[in-house]
Amino acid sequence: QSLLTQPPSASGTPGQRVTISCSGSNSNIGPNDVFWYQQLPGTAPRLLIYRNNERPSGVPDRFSGSKSGTSASLAISGLRSEDEADYYCAAWHDSLSAWVFGGGTKLTVL
Amino acid sequence: ELQLEESGGDLVQPGRSLRLSCKASGFGFDDYGMHWVRQAPGKGLEWVAGLSWNSGSIGYAPSVEGRFTISRDNAKNALYLEMNSLRTEDTAFYYCVKDFRLLWSGGLETWGQGTLVTVSS
Repeated sequence: QSLLTQPPSASGTPGQRVTISCSGSNSNIGPNDVFWYQQLPGTAPRLLIYRNNERPSGVPDRFSGSKSGTSASLAISGLRSEDEADYYCAAWHDSLSAWVFGGGTKLTVL
Repeated sequence: ELQLEESGGDLVQPGRSLRLSCKASGFGFDDYGMHWVRQAPGKGLEWVAGLSWNSGSIGYAPSVEGRFTISRDNAKNALYLEMNSLRTEDTAFYYCVKDFRLLWSGGLETWGQGTLVTVSS
């Protein structure tokens, strides 16, 4: 059972905007930054969003992150077929002194 | 270019040991904390262990504490994971990951391609 809760699946059509939620607690997301990772089929995860809403160089501005209280969201606008992947949120958990991940959301582009 | 290259994955029997290695290049290895993260086939991500730039601070997931040991050799730009008393549930791809900062609480930044460990009789 993951300490961060994500919907197992999400979908959208090309050009649409989709959001993926990540719900945590006052021990993880509440006091700490949230990170998002994209894992394309058969590849290693890559960093998509860091410190809640920052994008590494090379990540399109179609991807954006936000955080409010003990929850965070990843938004993808102008959805493209190549966005079809698994998406994971992560945060530091204070009382465990460990990194925790969400269970992952499989995004399907219809 | 920053690169992390894992090696050492293999098929091993339950109860046996295995050592994973990660060779880093393209950045100042001794300026950053490092991690191991694993992913069972078809499952989600699980943080395994992390250590600071100088090995002075180390942490483990409860599922591996007491069985796995993370270490590094800054002179060789290498990260290691010694895995003992392996269980079938340890079967996974193991990823070497660079942290944003000196410690291992800054965030999981750059990932290697992973190495597969299969624990089976």
